[in-house]
Amino acid sequence: AQSVTQPDIHITVSEGASLELRCNYSYGATPYLFWYVQSPGQGLQLLLKYFSGDTLVQGIKGFEAEFKRSQSSFNLRKPSVHWSDAAEYFCAVAAGGSYIPTFGRGTSLIVHP
Amino acid sequence: KAGVTQTPRYLIKTRGQQVTLSCSPISGHRSVSWYQQTPGQGLQFLFEYFSETQRNKGNFPGRFSGRQFSNSRSEMNVSTLELGDSALYLCASKTGLSHTEAFFGQGTRLTVV
Repeated sequence: AQSVTQPDIHITVSEGASLELRCNYSYGATPYLFWYVQSPGQGLQLLLKYFSGDTLVQGIKGFEAEFKRSQSSFNLRKPSVHWSDAAEYFCAVAAGGSYIPTFGRGTSLIVHP
Repeated sequence: KAGVTQTPRYLIKTRGQQVTLSCSPISGHRSVSWYQQTPGQGLQFLFEYFSETQRNKGNFPGRFSGRQFSNSRSEMNVSTLELGDSALYLCASKTGLSHTEAFFGQGTRLTVV
């Protein structure tokens, strides 16, 4: 069965600083990988996804993620964080067959002015 | 087009009661999944429906059930409510079973007292 680890429960950055959120997955084959964002009291919004091909994936709101098979990682990055990026970020992995995503426990992003 | 709509947004129930939550998927989407989100357990998959049939099921007791109607709308029912059922229940819709991109509703916040 697949699993996802987000090592950082909370991350605090200053507005304008760069951001990297870590995600490691466990799955035997090439998985489908996702990053979602959840604002307080809201549902999840898809930021980006990786299925195959180019390992650097561009998403919405200026986010990007890089798939590294050798490290089983799919880290999310943004070069300059805005105060509105403060939210909970979830990495997810889905295997072929059921395509049901398994979510990590999330990383809470705090942005200081 | 309209997103995934969940009703009600908030609900307070007493232990032992039952509750029904509703989800209207994006028009044209035929797969509907349900997730439970709690601070302790994170996001956990409940079940997925497609063409009025349950296709995948998570590891939840039989008190949790669901159904899907011919118009793809789905309901989730929890009987004999327990305090631990207090959670945000999220619904997600996809075009089909083999599609990987899920669109989430804002959720129903259930509080059991």
